[in-house]
Amino acid sequence: DAGITQSPRHKVTETGTPVTLRCHQTENHRYMYWYRQDPGHGLRLIHYSYGVKDTDKGEVSDGYSVSRSKTEDFLLTLESATSSQTSVYFCAISESSPAGGNNEQFFGPGTRLTVL
Amino acid sequence: GESVGLHLPTLSVQEGDNSIINCAYSNSASDYFIWYKQESGKGPQFIIDIRSNMDKRQGQRVTVLLNKTVKHLSLQIAATQPGDSAVYFCAENGNSGAGSYQLTFGKGTKLSVIP
Repeated sequence: DAGITQSPRHKVTETGTPVTLRCHQTENHRYMYWYRQDPGHGLRLIHYSYGVKDTDKGEVSDGYSVSRSKTEDFLLTLESATSSQTSVYFCAISESSPAGGNNEQFFGPGTRLTVL
Repeated sequence: GESVGLHLPTLSVQEGDNSIINCAYSNSASDYFIWYKQESGKGPQFIIDIRSNMDKRQGQRVTVLLNKTVKHLSLQIAATQPGDSAVYFCAENGNSGAGSYQLTFGKGTKLSVIP
């Protein structure tokens, strides 16, 4: 998985609780992404980062926040989890800018989150 | 395994035959395309990519064809093996608006290889 780890790999939580997922990379890539994957949908971008402390929203950012204090770590936080956020979450990294026409992204193993 | 295989079109292929998986993309301005393979319980794995200035690109046992006229992408797998069983999806890189580029992913096709 291209030097990408995600933690935890599985989590069950209750509605209304905060949850933080961690993505850690050892590739020193500048760009990092958080996606969610649900049946009937392709991967959908939640947030992405283009450098330390530089982040931006993706297609489905409502209810999520992110932080990147170091190159190697990108955190995804659900401030108050809801059942609609039950999903599989994937982190991805890329070396090149998405605008560079070579947006080759490598994915982590995923985190399965269940919100009861 | 993950539940992402639900609601997907399925392609069943005999071991040793060639497989062709198709993808229609939406943005005529997309400049880069990727095929990913995802096995149950794992993250997507990069297979092959192609830029919009190319029509064809070959890798080991895989070929990607790009038809920009009809916005169509295909992945051909030669001599399909049981280990090729997985969900395959394409991704296009394009301007999502306001100058922001991102990958947009298809929903995927499940390939089942019959021994």
